Amino acid sequence: DAGVIQSPRHEVTEMGQEVTLRCKPISGHNSLFWYRQTMMRGLELLIYFNNNVPIDDSGMPEDRFSAKMPNASFSTLKIQPSEPRDSAVYFCASSLGSSGRAQFFGPGTRLTVL
Amino acid sequence: QKEVEQNSGPLSVPEGAIASLNCTYSDRGSQSFFWYRQYSGKSPELIMSIYSNGDKEDGRFTAQLNKASQYVSLLIRDSQPSDSATYLCAVRGTGNQFYFGTGTSLTVIP
Repeated sequence: DAGVIQSPRHEVTEMGQEVTLRCKPISGHNSLFWYRQTMMRGLELLIYFNNNVPIDDSGMPEDRFSAKMPNASFSTLKIQPSEPRDSAVYFCASSLGSSGRAQFFGPGTRLTVL
Repeated sequence: QKEVEQNSGPLSVPEGAIASLNCTYSDRGSQSFFWYRQYSGKSPELIMSIYSNGDKEDGRFTAQLNKASQYVSLLIRDSQPSDSATYLCAVRGTGNQFYFGTGTSLTVIP
């Protein structure tokens, strides 16, 4: 069974450019989470969806960040415009929303904003 | 107060020893608890989940949960150099939120 799929795996862009990160959750999972990880701040939850609906976006740093989940098998995280301080590894994770199941992480996207 | 607290370490143990990792959490209503291992440059990988008070063993790993004390631990027996990684404690709160600790860095010295 395929795990969580993320693309691209690496992204290098210049300040001011738009960046779109993509995620395909594990089939059948109905909760999806976007995280950002840096050495300084550790793993930070940005937003999570349940049944394609955003439930908590309080971790989204500012209006430059937006996330969508148009269907159960696809989500995007967009940064526009990007800034050097957005450089981090971005992880997508999915889980079964009920019954206390664990999250499973994708391989991550390493974003570098020059 | 953070939702989940872990000692950041680093923790160093000799090969073959027992490594003990600890975690406390603040949401008393939490019911699901997890340990993830993260190698450098990789994503977190689930290694243990525990839902009831007591011990749960899986190979060389034992997770311990004490809900009254709001405390979760992970013991790694016969530690191997391949166990060197950062270990993240995660708690699923009452609102379906996941809370992660900052992680404990473990080094197993050959």
